[in-house]
Amino acid sequence: DTAVSQTPKYLVTQMGNDKSIKCEQNLGHDTMYWYKQDSKKFLKIMFSYNNKELIINETVPNRFSPKSPDKAHLNLHINSLELGDSAVYFCASSRVRNEQFFGPGTRLTVL
Amino acid sequence: AQTVTQSQPEMSVQEAETVTLSCTYDTSESDYYLFWYKQPPSRQMILVIRQEAYKQQNATENRFSVNFQKAAKSFSLKISDSQLGDAAMYFCAYRSASTSGSRLTFGEGTQLTVNP
Repeated sequence: DTAVSQTPKYLVTQMGNDKSIKCEQNLGHDTMYWYKQDSKKFLKIMFSYNNKELIINETVPNRFSPKSPDKAHLNLHINSLELGDSAVYFCASSRVRNEQFFGPGTRLTVL
Repeated sequence: AQTVTQSQPEMSVQEAETVTLSCTYDTSESDYYLFWYKQPPSRQMILVIRQEAYKQQNATENRFSVNFQKAAKSFSLKISDSQLGDAAMYFCAYRSASTSGSRLTFGEGTQLTVNP
């Protein structure tokens, strides 16, 4: 009965490949997020969806494309992976204006 | 744009002692929320404590309390009776209270070591 789940937890891939990370929340929240944590542990917002609508789109390469098939899911697809994409990616969810609950993170390693 | 600064990259404390982690932020808004999150080696982000800017009373959660100084834009976390399980990276975070301001802006983090 995990609140916010992400798959996979670890992802190792070659440069140039396309990969997806899936996120699901069973909290009934209406807003979901993707954050990136770099090698220095700095966390930064990438995207946010509210009721399946994109509301935050930070300065992220257009190789990154979020997709929200419904309120409980927010997936992240990454095309043409680069070495600099190696990071931990966190999904989170909240009700608007309430605290955010984070998934366990996906460690992406691009070789 | 809002910024959050944690000036202590690393801190250490003896078990059972008290430690204070510092956080300052910059904003032109009057209504917002502040948070402390804990990230242990498992990398799970865990909410420790939350403070609403409109509340003058400092938030407290068991051994964790904050010192919120709105005028000084300061939001420090005090951990009392430190335990080995408190060892983690601690992040201070800001969120606007506006309906469209749902993102969290994080500080750089403070790595806390608890010595037995």
